[in-house]
Amino acid sequence: VQLLESGGGLVQPGGSLRLSCAASGLTFSSHAISWVRQAPGKGLEWVSGISGTGANTYYSDSVKGRFTISRDNSKYTLYLQMNSLRAEDTAVYYCAKNPYCSSGVCYTGMDVWGQGTTVTVSS
Amino acid sequence: DIQMTQSPSTLSASVGDRVTITCRASQSISSWLAWYQQKPGKAPKLLIHKASSLETGDPSRFSGSASGTEFTLTISSLQPDDFATYYCQQYNSYPYTFGQGTKLEIK
Repeated sequence: VQLLESGGGLVQPGGSLRLSCAASGLTFSSHAISWVRQAPGKGLEWVSGISGTGANTYYSDSVKGRFTISRDNSKYTLYLQMNSLRAEDTAVYYCAKNPYCSSGVCYTGMDVWGQGTTVTVSS
Repeated sequence: DIQMTQSPSTLSASVGDRVTITCRASQSISSWLAWYQQKPGKAPKLLIHKASSLETGDPSRFSGSASGTEFTLTISSLQPDDFATYYCQQYNSYPYTFGQGTKLEIK
């Protein structure tokens, strides 16, 4: 099972960027996936999550209204559209497979992570 | 949102020491708590899920426990490879919040 992020880079404040996360080795549509970020020298921050079908999406307060998570199950790919970027969005962004839960019982934690892609927001 | 308060933020210890890291949830999360290990420049690695279930292949010197809203990660005898940063995370409800992290340093 592998997750591979791409799309990071340098962007000016107020700009936009779209991250991608390509999955392999799993039945992609069966798994909820999240984006987690880590600012330089800081801890982990959960950013956004999406259900396996894509019908349900979740966001942290810090990105709500600016970021949009989506997925294309036919392409085994997860996306994060980031708009109105701020300096405080500068971070390494990881995609990670959510805990597998069924009927109210979870059987794993976030057991698969990508290697991360770096987003720098600066003028 | 559920807040996760992790302590200490830094821990200095020696090889062979027994160490404990604590994480407290601001409300009930049942046992839906995970512990991760992260080394510099690397993605986090899942160590424990459901508060006390050790991932397959990870050393038995790592253990997790829970008492109400307080959760503990214990390393029974530190090895050189264990010096890293550790995070707790609740996955009872969105947003899936992390603790602030504990950097385990060599004394």
